[in-house]
Amino acid sequence: QVQLVQSGAEVKKPGASVKVSCKASGYTFTGYYIHWVRQAPGQGLEWMGWINPNSGGTNYAQKFQGRVTMTRDTSISTAYMELSSLKSDDTAVYYCARVHVGYGYGWWGQGTLVTVSS
Amino acid sequence: DVVMTQTPLSLSVTPGQPASISCKSSQSLLYSDGKTYLYWYLQKPGQSPQLLIYEVSNRFSGVPDRFSGGGSGTDFTLKISRVEAEDVGVYYCMQSIQLPPTFGQGTKVEIK
Repeated sequence: QVQLVQSGAEVKKPGASVKVSCKASGYTFTGYYIHWVRQAPGQGLEWMGWINPNSGGTNYAQKFQGRVTMTRDTSISTAYMELSSLKSDDTAVYYCARVHVGYGYGWWGQGTLVTVSS
Repeated sequence: DVVMTQTPLSLSVTPGQPASISCKSSQSLLYSDGKTYLYWYLQKPGQSPQLLIYEVSNRFSGVPDRFSGGGSGTDFTLKISRVEAEDVGVYYCMQSIQLPPTFGQGTKVEIK
């Protein structure tokens, strides 16, 4: 069965960077895009971008351009999302998700809480 | 960005009764390929979101048939024919006709 397992919670200071991992299993990793979506405490869902695990190609939301980098390591079926120059309003749960069709995210990671605090 | 507006923002439903959530987009979600890129997700308390409906009316694998989606263009509806206790959570619509994909504000469904 398809599973996405994310790395654990992080606490960072303003200005630092965080790198969240998303390990995929149960399917061919290079066959499906991985997207990243975040959710601030008590708030809604916000799309950050995607990575094509086959080519490494990426597409980022304009809001995060210059601050976000999505990468992958096909040898271990893992995608990564790195966010730099962290601010307090980057405090959120970050999810990776695999598409079913189109942008229908049929499978989600369990989420990674990133807390940015001085 | 395409703005997605859901109504109502909260809903209290008696078990066994129907429920309906509306989602309106600021532009048509019908693409030139004939598909309409509208999705519905449910986020149960303390959990990751889960896909219910894709491309307006297609139920994702394992989704009970009491959930149905409909609509066209800019107006869409998610219906639950008979609400059960396990249906509590926040429901989101999402569009992907234009990047970035955007979500509605969410509709919180609780059981009376």
